[in-house]
Amino acid sequence: EIVLTQSPATLSLFPGERATLSCRASQSVSTYLAWYQQKPGQAPRLLIYDASNRATGIPARFSGSGSGSDFTLTISSLEPEDFAVFYCHQRATWPWTFGHGTKVDIK
Amino acid sequence: EVQLLESGGALVLPGGSLRLACAASGFTFSSYDMTWVRQAPGKGLEWVSRITGSAGSTYYSTYYTDSVKGRFTISRDNSKNTLYLQMNSLRAEDTAVYYCTRDLGPGLAASGFWGQGTLVTVSS
Repeated sequence: EIVLTQSPATLSLFPGERATLSCRASQSVSTYLAWYQQKPGQAPRLLIYDASNRATGIPARFSGSGSGSDFTLTISSLEPEDFAVFYCHQRATWPWTFGHGTKVDIK
Repeated sequence: EVQLLESGGALVLPGGSLRLACAASGFTFSSYDMTWVRQAPGKGLEWVSRITGSAGSTYYSTYYTDSVKGRFTISRDNSKNTLYLQMNSLRAEDTAVYYCTRDLGPGLAASGFWGQGTLVTVSS
């Protein structure tokens, strides 16, 4: 099973700051990696698929990069509605797996 | 508009069984691979199971995470636009909100659409 390690576990930032979230895979997943955002009491929302493609309706301040084993989700300037938990997810190898999440909270 | 509506969650005794359903609308259900994802209370997301779309065939491929293999069965009824998850030999660690998801698009296996979830509680 591929293990996805997300860091940091928590990121405390002010609105307007840049957020950089990391996801490292225990083996290569090529670019079969997605990022999801989840707010309390809500279902997750797809942000990025195939490592760097924004899903429909996702603002341009969200961007994804990486390939192989190292991936990054960047939020260029945090808006108040961006504070949430973010998960990475690989679909390269069965069983598909999620990272444990990074919580981005308001400083 | 794509809509996914899960049902069937309940309180069940350890060792018991439950069948979840996900009613789909707003798209051609038979054409899409579908996935179940769960989330234990206060915990992260866990991928559970996946079933392929029909692509004109009655044969479907199914996939499971290791912890549910042999206990859970995913299936679909394209005539009813409904996805199912039959859960047997339930354990306390199966307690979670179960989400039904649809792929973003053909060949794009990210979960682009999610239901609101249904809560399964396994407890005596």
